[in-house]
This record gives sequence, structure tokens and C-alpha cells, in this order.
Amino acid sequence: DAGITQSPRHKVTETGTPVTLRCHQTENHRYMYWYRQDPGHGLRLIHYSYGVKDTDKGEVSDGYSVSRSKTEDFLLTLESATSSQTSVYFCASRRQGDSGANVLTFGAGSRLTVL
Amino acid sequence: KNEVEQSPQNLTAQEGEFITINCSYSVGISALHWLQQHPGGGIVSLFMLSSGKKKHGRLIATINIQEKHSSLHITASHPRDSAVYICAVDAGGTSYGKLTFGQGTILTVHP
Repeated sequence: DAGITQSPRHKVTETGTPVTLRCHQTENHRYMYWYRQDPGHGLRLIHYSYGVKDTDKGEVSDGYSVSRSKTEDFLLTLESATSSQTSVYFCASRRQGDSGANVLTFGAGSRLTVL
Repeated sequence: KNEVEQSPQNLTAQEGEFITINCSYSVGISALHWLQQHPGGGIVSLFMLSSGKKKHGRLIATINIQEKHSSLHITASHPRDSAVYICAVDAGGTSYGKLTFGQGTILTVHP
């Protein structure tokens, strides 16, 4: 009954190939985010969405693009994968409003290796 | 200097000990989150705070907005509490819920 799922969970690819990671949430959350997690850097925001077709860049957006055609889906695309994009990618969603607990939900992560 | 600083970076405890993890931040915020990440696992939201204190089971989170400081306490720690604990702040306003994260505190609780 996971509220947010990521696919694929693991992927190995070669430098220069395009890669798309998918995030699907069933929480009807308005806000969605893509982060990468690397040793020594913690979680860093790549792109985020504040509604269908409304997206913006985070702090490490170079080499990445996103799309959100439906509330439930947020896609992250690496246009031409590089070894520096080897990382664990987390998707998250958040409902509008700050009341209550568990306002933020994370996916299980996608481990990407670029050879 | 990072906007969000956690201390300690590593913490080792014996089962049953009281544990405190600290988070200091340098920007104005609307809310602060505490997250938990088990080794090789996903990330779970523990608390979201904008003032005062919250308690859930053996976990207690406090925040002092004036001092820009938050603490996460674990009472009667257990080996299953071993995880990375991450503090994250939300600047609010038109930030659309974007979070700035601390580096995390690695907690190991020995039996």
C-alpha cells in the first residue's frame, strides 16, 4: 500500500545514454520532488513540481529535466547520462498545507550506476 | 557554511540510553522536519515542527525558533533505532515546500 513508488529501483547504464526515472504517488499530493543522495553531500534537490505542468529547478538541476503531466506522476530524465550522475535518487511528495503528521512521503529510492 | 548543521555526525550508544541529536539552522523557516533512514532503506518522515514539542512513542522533537535550533530525543534507545537521522528545514513562503537538508547523524545502538 505504498503511497509513492519509484521505478526502476536499480539501473546500470552507459555514459551518453538517456535515462528516465519514474515516480508515482497515490496520495493526491500537489508537490513532488526529485533528490539525489551522495556520500558527503546528503540529499540535494534536483527539480520540483508545484502542480501539473508546473516545475522548477533545484540546486543541482544541470543535466536533468522533469515532466509532470498528471498529479500522480513525476518523471526525471537524464538527457545524456554521465558518471557524475551515479547516485541514489529519491522522489518525494507533500500535501498542501502544514497541519498534521507525515506531510512528507518518500519513495524507496532508485540506484543508478553510469559506467 | 551549511545552512543546516547537525551534531554529532556519528553517535554510538548502548541499549537503553537516552539519545539527543541536534540541528541548528541559519535561515528563517516555516517548519523543520526530522527524517529517519535505515541502512539501504528508504526515508521516513518522523516529525514536522513549527514550534514547541512533539512526541511519538519514544521519540521527542523540540524546536526553538528564536535560537534556530531543534533537538531529536530518543528515550530508552534500542538497536532497531540504529539509522541515519536527518534534519531538514522548509523556508516557507513561495518555496513550495523545498527542503534544505543537514548531512545526517549516524546512530548506532548496541545491545
